Amino acid sequence: QKEVEQDPGPLSVPEGAIVSLNCTYSNSAFQYFMWYRQYSRKGPELLMYTYSSGNKEDGRFTAQVDKSSKYISLFIRDSQPSDSATYLCAMNSSASKIIFGSGTRLSIRP
Amino acid sequence: DSGVTQTPKHLITATGQRVTLRCSPRSGDLSVYWYQQSLDQGLQFLIQYYNGEERAKGNILERFSAQQFPDLHSELNLSSLELGDSALYFCASSPGEGLAGDEQYFGPGTRLTVT
Repeated sequence: QKEVEQDPGPLSVPEGAIVSLNCTYSNSAFQYFMWYRQYSRKGPELLMYTYSSGNKEDGRFTAQVDKSSKYISLFIRDSQPSDSATYLCAMNSSASKIIFGSGTRLSIRP
Repeated sequence: DSGVTQTPKHLITATGQRVTLRCSPRSGDLSVYWYQQSLDQGLQFLIQYYNGEERAKGNILERFSAQQFPDLHSELNLSSLELGDSALYFCASSPGEGLAGDEQYFGPGTRLTVT
């Protein structure tokens, strides 16, 4: 079993929809949770960064962490075609050992 | 633009050859990380350097080696290349020494094709 599980998708939704992306993990020591966005043939870009449980909002993006369920989510409101990318969750207990999910490919249909 | 630069952008070489990938971290960042991303393996951590010293090792093959120089740029050397080494190689940097919570910023990557 992988330490971090992420549905690879692809996920296709119409423009304006709310998108929910999720990851589950098995290591209860993880304390730092991140979401990266990766456009095709580009490097991952840090989107959201949260510590421990709770919610964090940044514009149209909300990151949610439920440590009791070992489950994290990224919500995208009012999705735009420019949000089409692969989204990688990542987490760690020590930054030198960040574990990445395999990524979910998201497509927003105009 | 993350501030991390990588050269070259693309590299095509033959099996058995050796190549060197170069990374310059963001200004002020002391740690450099190398990752390999392939379609079937996802993003795999290879190795981390902090202020010139190796700090952590991941799934790095013995044919691969890296170093970080006094000016903090880093090089990843890949030798005896095999077809399976074809992948995107990313460098990331962070301000600290890799303690929990140290955010990593990725470069644009080097696409290596081994023929």
